[in-house]
Amino acid sequence: EAGVAQSPRYKIIEKRQSVAFWCNPISGHATLYWYQQILGQGPKLLIQFQNNGVVDDSQLPKDRFSAERLKGVDSTLKIQPAKLEDSAVYLCASRPTYQGSGGTSNTGELFFGEGSRLTVL
Amino acid sequence: QQQVKQSPQSLIVQKGGISIINCAYENTAFDYFPWYQQFPGKGPALLIAIRPDVSEKKEGRFTISFNKSAKQFSLHIMDSQPGDSATYFCAAARYNQGGKLIFGQGTELSVKP
Repeated sequence: EAGVAQSPRYKIIEKRQSVAFWCNPISGHATLYWYQQILGQGPKLLIQFQNNGVVDDSQLPKDRFSAERLKGVDSTLKIQPAKLEDSAVYLCASRPTYQGSGGTSNTGELFFGEGSRLTVL
Repeated sequence: QQQVKQSPQSLIVQKGGISIINCAYENTAFDYFPWYQQFPGKGPALLIAIRPDVSEKKEGRFTISFNKSAKQFSLHIMDSQPGDSATYFCAAARYNQGGKLIFGQGTELSVKP
């Protein structure tokens, strides 16, 4: 089974420029997350999608960050304009949903991609 | 109240020794506590997880100990190996509410041969 694919792996931009990251989750995974991991810290959730709808974007800096998940599969995360403090690894993760005896529910495990490392100069 | 605090920040252990990493949480609504392992240049990968209905879970050399009353949980790595050298993150979540993980700050483990 193919894992979560992300691109580009590395990106260097000047501050105030824009950048976009792409994520292709594991086939069939309905839930998709974007996390930001600053060097030396744990990942911080930016946005969560269930199919193509946003479930939680409370931590997304909406003045500069945007994300979409068209058709409930691939997702893009955009930053415009970038700031120095946006330098981080952007991790995409997906989570399967299975049909339990009590109805639909999620398993606990998140599957992460290798991340896109952004350096803002 | 959403924080998960992890210690130590870094840990050096001799091969064959026991590695212990501790985490504490505040939100009593959390009911899912996973540990993720991350190697340089890779994304985090689930190592082991526990729900609060048990106080301990063991998978091979990895054990989670959970203390609900103290709101603390820990990871024990027995017979630590150089291949275990990685960054370990504890996390907490409300299991049936979308799986939004709140991660600790991470522990960089180095196992010396």
